[in-house]
Amino acid sequence: QVQVVQSGAEVKSPGASVTVSCKASGYTFTDYYLHWIRQAPGQGLEWVGRINPKSGATFYANTFHDRVTVTRDTSLTTVYMELRGLRSDDTAVYYCARNLTPEGLYFLDYWGQGSLVTVSS
Amino acid sequence: QLTQSPSFLSPSVGDRVTITCRASQDIRNFLAWYQQKPGKAPKLLIYSASALQGGVPSRFSGGGSGTEFTLTISSLQPEDVAIYYCQQPFTYPLTFGGGTKVEIK
Repeated sequence: QVQVVQSGAEVKSPGASVTVSCKASGYTFTDYYLHWIRQAPGQGLEWVGRINPKSGATFYANTFHDRVTVTRDTSLTTVYMELRGLRSDDTAVYYCARNLTPEGLYFLDYWGQGSLVTVSS
Repeated sequence: QLTQSPSFLSPSVGDRVTITCRASQDIRNFLAWYQQKPGKAPKLLIYSASALQGGVPSRFSGGGSGTEFTLTISSLQPEDVAIYYCQQPFTYPLTFGGGTKVEIK
């Protein structure tokens, strides 16, 4: 069965970087795009970016473009999101989610459990 | 940009519930609905405006196209207490509506 399992909670200081991992299993890893979405406490959902695990090609929301990098390791069927220059308003739960279909139609069917990133001095 | 209404609903068990999502441009039928319960990840309910995701109860239905979309719960159950979000994949960046919180009266 499809599973998406993320790394645990992190506490970081302002200005630091954080890397969150997302291990996917139960399907052909390279066939489905993976996305990152975040949710600040008590707030709505904000899309961060996505990666094509086959090619490694990425696309990011302009809000994060210069601070975020998403990569993948196909041998480990894992994607990584690095966010740099952390600020207090980056405190959020970060979710990894799989595309519903192998190409296009960016609907998100399988979600990880979420990784809380807290930015605090 | 997606605008949901209302932002809060307090119906009774068994009520018919309708949530609206309006897009700032024509997004054809490229719209999904998600349900999020406290402390949990969102769950896909409806995609392509009206297609029911596997395993989702048939009391959930979606409709609309272009700029106006609806999510309907035909008979609200206690386990439907959640926040509901719409989402568009038509253009980058993917965006979500602000959410509609549904509680039981």
